[in-house]
This record gives sequence, structure tokens and C-alpha cells, in this order.
Amino acid sequence: EVQLVESGGGLVQPGGSLRLSCAASGFTFSSYWMSWVRQAPGKGLEWVANIKQDGSEKYYVDSVKGRFTISRDNAKNSLYLQMNSLRAEDTAVYYCARGGPKGFQHWGQGTLVTVSS
Amino acid sequence: DIQMTQSPSSLSASVGDRVTVTCRAGQNIATYLNWYQQKPGKAPKLLIYAASTLQSGVPSRFSGSTSGTDFTLTISGLQPEDVASYYCQQSYRVPYTFGQGTKLEIK
Repeated sequence: EVQLVESGGGLVQPGGSLRLSCAASGFTFSSYWMSWVRQAPGKGLEWVANIKQDGSEKYYVDSVKGRFTISRDNAKNSLYLQMNSLRAEDTAVYYCARGGPKGFQHWGQGTLVTVSS
Repeated sequence: DIQMTQSPSSLSASVGDRVTVTCRAGQNIATYLNWYQQKPGKAPKLLIYAASTLQSGVPSRFSGSTSGTDFTLTISGLQPEDVASYYCQQSYRVPYTFGQGTKLEIK
């Protein structure tokens, strides 16, 4: 069974940093593109970033470019999102998701990031 | 970025009704269009990919169609468990973008 389990969320002050992790199991992690998708409270879904199987290609939504970094460790079956210079508008539930052109077939349960003083 | 315009933003229908949700892409995305269902407090669930292919395990009352840059999600015979928000998403080009969502309620 495919499982994606996020961790690392919490309360952080504006301008602070946070690192999210996503532990993958039940599939060959190194064979799939992986993404982060977020959802602000009461709002819709927003794709944040994705990373190729070997980490050689990474893409970001404009609003996080230069502040967020996606990475992966295939030996540890783990996906990461390093978030720096956090803003109030980054407050959201962050999901890791497996998929690509055929949609995101698998999602984690999400981890809440709250940016507030 | 490719804009996805989804309508309506909310709708109320009766059990057994046929329900349609529409998504318009701001440019050609071929059939790189996916539909998700999200229930409160839960992660989204993929219903349909490639505009009209039903994801494994999804009830056959859900279907998708396309006409140019217009895409439609249809629920044929609404069930109480279909109460949720529905989102379209283009996977033609990054940044992948979602529609604004449609909140479906039962009358």
C-alpha cells in the first residue's frame, strides 16, 4: 500500500524557516516525480513545487521561488521542502503527492504550517 | 501560467440528480486535465485523469468529458457521500494549476 506521511509543520514567526519531510513507503520512491501542494485555510489547492526522480529537475510556483527548496533522498525514501523567509500567506496545510501528467494519484494526510507572530 | 476557470463555485442538488461542473483552460492543454474530490479535513482524491479516464476504484457515476479547452465533470445519480469540494487541475505544464473549486451540497 502506498503511504505518504508528512511531518515538520508547526507555528513559525514571519521571516522564519521550517523544513517539511514526507516519508514514502509501499512503492519504488526513486521511480516517481514528487510534488508539494498546499491549501490555505478555507481556500483551494495550490501546487508548490515538484522534483524529478533523480533530483536533477525542480520546478516552483512563482510565489515561493528563491524562498523554498524541494529536495529528495532516494536512499531514505524521503521528500523535503525547506521553507525560508516565511510569510503569513504561506500559512497552509502542505501535502506531498505522487504523480505527474496523469494527476496526483497519492497524497499524504498533510501537515499544517502556521506563520504568525 | 495556465489559468483554470471553474464553475460554479457552489451548487446544491438532490440525491439522484445529474450534476455537472465545468472547467475552462486559458490555453490549449490537450487532455492534461484531472479532477479531484476533497472531503472536509481530508486530502484530495483523484477521480479522473486525462480528461476522461476514471481512476481505479472510483464509482462509474463519475465521468469526464472535453470540448476544446472546456472540460466537464459529471456525476450521474448524486449520492449523499458525494458531498465534497471538487477541483480541476491542468498537468500540461508547470506550474500545475487548479481551478478555484466547486462545493457540492445535498438539498
